[in-house]
Amino acid sequence: GESVGLHLPTLSVQEGDNSIINCAYSNSASDYFIWYKQESGKGPQFIIDIRSNMDKRQGQRVTVLLNKTVKHLSLQIAATQPGDSAVYFCAERKTGRRALTFGSGTRLQVQP
Amino acid sequence: DTAVSQTPKYLVTQMGNDKSIKCEQNLGHDTMYWYKQDSKKFLKIMFSYNNKELIINETVPNRFSPKSPDKAHLNLHINSLELGDSAVYFCASSPPYGGAGTEAFFGQGTRLTVV
Repeated sequence: GESVGLHLPTLSVQEGDNSIINCAYSNSASDYFIWYKQESGKGPQFIIDIRSNMDKRQGQRVTVLLNKTVKHLSLQIAATQPGDSAVYFCAERKTGRRALTFGSGTRLQVQP
Repeated sequence: DTAVSQTPKYLVTQMGNDKSIKCEQNLGHDTMYWYKQDSKKFLKIMFSYNNKELIINETVPNRFSPKSPDKAHLNLHINSLELGDSAVYFCASSPPYGGAGTEAFFGQGTRLTVV
């Protein structure tokens, strides 16, 4: 069935490096994509979103890229910090549907 | 603080029992959700309510019954608990569809353990 998935289950980076977390989605009828960060024992926390009519959006230290041609979403974190260590989820929302479909998550480990 | 709050945070119970999880949001959102996160961290939608009306009911056993007394509250009642119900349950809310910033805001989760 249609799903949102991630290429790498675990990503380990050095503090100060840039991190890139990738996500592939299969449903072309999605109009909205979100990245969430989930720390241990907490709920998912919104990081950044992007609508399907955009291909790039920047926030503070984070950038989301959307390539609709190959159905690929990525999250770039600049100057990764220990506090960035968490599980990151991409999620999509199909047009007209209120709920989100989540990918399987990538654990980001930042080495000091 | 403005937030989505759910209680209890932890719930340990025996098989066959009935339990409820409560959720409240003070963000003024019109849509609330219940998501289930399994042991592999996979998050899946269970229910969605819009202005107290059920709009999404994913193939969830009818032992699970959501109730929304008003648009700020969405409770989850589970009958005849089974071992496989052990998971973390997240409540979430979101503003009206299509508006700016329509991401879902999540509560801290309720870790349910059925023994």
